[in-house]
Amino acid sequence: NAGVMQNPRHLVRRRGQEARLRCSPMKGHSHVYWYRQLPEEGLKFMVYLQKENIIDESGMPKERFSAEFPKEGPSILRIQQVVRGDSAAYFCASSPQWTGELFFGEGSRLTVL
Amino acid sequence: DAKTTQPNSMESNEEEPVHLPCNHSTISGTDYIHWYRQLPSQGPEYVIHGLTSNVNNRMASLAIAEDRKSSTLILHRATLRDAAVYYCILRDSADRGSTLGRLYFGRGTQLTVWP
Repeated sequence: NAGVMQNPRHLVRRRGQEARLRCSPMKGHSHVYWYRQLPEEGLKFMVYLQKENIIDESGMPKERFSAEFPKEGPSILRIQQVVRGDSAAYFCASSPQWTGELFFGEGSRLTVL
Repeated sequence: DAKTTQPNSMESNEEEPVHLPCNHSTISGTDYIHWYRQLPSQGPEYVIHGLTSNVNNRMASLAIAEDRKSSTLILHRATLRDAAVYYCILRDSADRGSTLGRLYFGRGTQLTVWP
């Protein structure tokens, strides 16, 4: 039973390029969450999605960041025109309908040169 | 958002019990106490959660004070693999809508286990 799958695990981009991070939730999970962890800091909530709907994007930066969870395929976190401050580990988590437990992936580590 | 207080770091020897404290003096009646841990270079991992009564599972035990203003995560026999950052998080059981999944992780407690 595969866990939450994230790819790529490591991504290097130059300033101004786009970064796309993908997340496949656990089988049977319809809720997806994205978190960001800056170096030496705790995880910060970014966005909560269900299939084809953004439920809570209160943690998303207002510009350059977007997320989707289409009917088919993985959830995508997209960062346009990356800057050095976007360098971080981005974690995806999933859950079935409301539960006390989130299942996290191993993260995608973005480095912006 | 910072509703819990944890020590920055703790140390233990292998095979000894570890008691990780967490203060949450402003906890509300509907807040569950959740613990996650994050091993180096990995995503967080759920450990345990509880509301009022003490809880046990294969990973750990959770002891909750009678007034619920503090709790303690207990690892009965620490192993090297338990070295991680441990996060104590409050989650409102009334959350069913848009705030679901919005966990506040804070800085946590860095546990070092010595062989």
